[in-house]
Amino acid sequence: KDQVFQPSTVASSEGAVVEIFCNHSVSNAYNFFWYLHFPGCAPRLLVKGSKPSQQGRYNMTYERFSSSLLILQVREADAAVYYCAGCNAGNNRKLIWGLGTSLAVNP
Amino acid sequence: EPEVTQTPSHQVTQMGQEVILRCVPISNHLYFYWYRQILGQKVEFLVSFYNNEISEKSEIFDDQFSVERPDGSNFTLKIRSTKLEDSAMYFCASREQLNQPQHFGDGTRLSIL
Repeated sequence: KDQVFQPSTVASSEGAVVEIFCNHSVSNAYNFFWYLHFPGCAPRLLVKGSKPSQQGRYNMTYERFSSSLLILQVREADAAVYYCAGCNAGNNRKLIWGLGTSLAVNP
Repeated sequence: EPEVTQTPSHQVTQMGQEVILRCVPISNHLYFYWYRQILGQKVEFLVSFYNNEISEKSEIFDDQFSVERPDGSNFTLKIRSTKLEDSAMYFCASREQLNQPQHFGDGTRLSIL
């Protein structure tokens, strides 16, 4: 069964680098996606790909069945839920989501 | 920046009633999706829609569910006879091409009483 696994919570201090790990068993998956979600707002794509990539303070590592999201210089405002999603290589490229990781930032 | 819009933001409905959730995808997008998230659970794929027809649906998307793109602008999800377990956040997403990321709306919170 296609599944994506990520920790439920991660804590960090302001200014630090935090890593959120994700692995999956999505068949024919070819891309990872990392979304940021504040309740009541649309999930916002941070970074994606099938290779390591970076967008601003967000770095993504990539292995065949796992990925990490690294957030550099963590701020209080980064406290949110971060979703890892795998995308299958089928005709519809639907997203298979993890449960989300809630990031707590300590001042 | 163009965005996906969903209305209403919150819908409260009596069990057994029909409900229609509305989405306006980004105008030049061709692929449309509905996902839902039950409180405390993961986001789940419901259905994808392309070229005016359903291209894939999950096992959640039973005969009580239907989607429509009635006027080339709106993309609607209808639940014919709602159940308590249909209470969830429903997210609409669209993408321009398959090799482009999905853009999400803010979601509609559906509460079934």
